[in-house]
Amino acid sequence: DTGVSQDPRHKITKRGQNVTFRCDPISEHNRLYWYRQTLGQGPEFLTYFQNEAQLEKSRLLSDRFSAERPKGSFSTLEIQRTEQGDSAMYLCASSQGQKYYEQYFGPGTRLTVT
Amino acid sequence: DAKTTQPTSMDCAEGRAANLPCNHSTISGNEYVYWYRQIHSQGPQYIIHGLKNNETNEMASLIITEDRKSSTLILPHATLRDTAVYYCIVRVGGSGNTGKLIFGQGTTLQVKP
Repeated sequence: DTGVSQDPRHKITKRGQNVTFRCDPISEHNRLYWYRQTLGQGPEFLTYFQNEAQLEKSRLLSDRFSAERPKGSFSTLEIQRTEQGDSAMYLCASSQGQKYYEQYFGPGTRLTVT
Repeated sequence: DAKTTQPTSMDCAEGRAANLPCNHSTISGNEYVYWYRQIHSQGPQYIIHGLKNNETNEMASLIITEDRKSSTLILPHATLRDTAVYYCIVRVGGSGNTGKLIFGQGTTLQVKP
């Protein structure tokens, strides 16, 4: 079990640029979640997938954000036309079967928009 | 979803038990209590969960009061590596759930030598 991995770990970008993050969940986990965490706050839910299907999206996920999980394995989160308010830690988690709330988190991708 | 209330911060001496309280007075019968922690610069880590019985695993014990309105996470012998933010989360169990975790502010536990 290699755990959940995320790439890159850090990303600095200029306002208006597009960025894409990748998450590789634990291999047998069918659910994958994205959260966002700003400084001093707890993580906030963004969206989740069951296999390749995206089943729920938070209102935090504006139309500049898109997430995919094309083959039910890894997932990508893209932010278009980044804004300074997008600066945050983006966390990915996965879970197995019906253990929906026993989630394994990756180390996160820290995004800084300048 | 039931609201949870936790103290903002707590200190604990290394080697002593750390008792972290959580109030969830509006919890309903089918809601579970989950505990996560987040060590600085890492993703959250699942610790334990329970419905109404006390639970214990290799990391911690969870004590839920009989009326289920509050719970306590116990780290029996705290070490410096247990310094983290601890989150108490209440969620409805069963199939068909989204798995969406709702994190509050949590309790910052500082374990001191």
